[in-house]
Amino acid sequence: ETGVTQTPRHLVMGMTNKKSLKCEQHLGHNAMYWYKQSAKKPLELMFVYNFKEQTENNSVPSRFSPECPNSSHLFLHLHTLQPEDSALYLCASSPDRGDEKLFFGSGTQLSVL
Amino acid sequence: LAKTTQPISMDSYEGQEVNITCSHNNIATNDYITWYQQFPSQGPRFIIQGYKTKVTNEVASLFIPADRKSSTLSLPRVSLSDTAVYYCLVGDLVSGGYNKLIFGAGTRLAVHP
Repeated sequence: ETGVTQTPRHLVMGMTNKKSLKCEQHLGHNAMYWYKQSAKKPLELMFVYNFKEQTENNSVPSRFSPECPNSSHLFLHLHTLQPEDSALYLCASSPDRGDEKLFFGSGTQLSVL
Repeated sequence: LAKTTQPISMDSYEGQEVNITCSHNNIATNDYITWYQQFPSQGPRFIIQGYKTKVTNEVASLFIPADRKSSTLSLPRVSLSDTAVYYCLVGDLVSGGYNKLIFGAGTRLAVHP
């Protein structure tokens, strides 16, 4: 148990669907992150939030829309995804932005049909 | 791009000591070196972090030479359950004065009976 909880654990969606991934951290951290990990590839940093303000967007397509209502919750809204977006989506938190000690959730395994 | 370089894969046998080396030639003065372990379909898990010399915890040891341009993760007496991907992370200090947390490809360790 890392203190970071992601739901759902698995998600299958069609290309026309809209779905959301949820992340919650109980660690009192100020920074939260979304990473994408495609099969047998390194983690790709997608978004960074610090004190619920977005501080990084690493050229992520607009079909991925993050939301951070407070420092404990992070969402990733998905719409009109492509099959190549199928991947493991990981949420992480750290005490402060850029702190290398990250705490990851178990991830959401997403399949886009 | 990640600031680190690691071997793509390593093989070992149960009971042996495994040493995984990471190169980070452009490490900055304030950077820490952090290692993670990742099992399939799970988020990476923090193993150990260090700044210089040697750090040891109940799981592993981390050796960092004086020039800090490399580091070695040492896993004593590995078991089959240590089969995983191991990542070395060094933050990339960017404008704004914070670290960008980009993971490299990691080292895929396979432990054999």
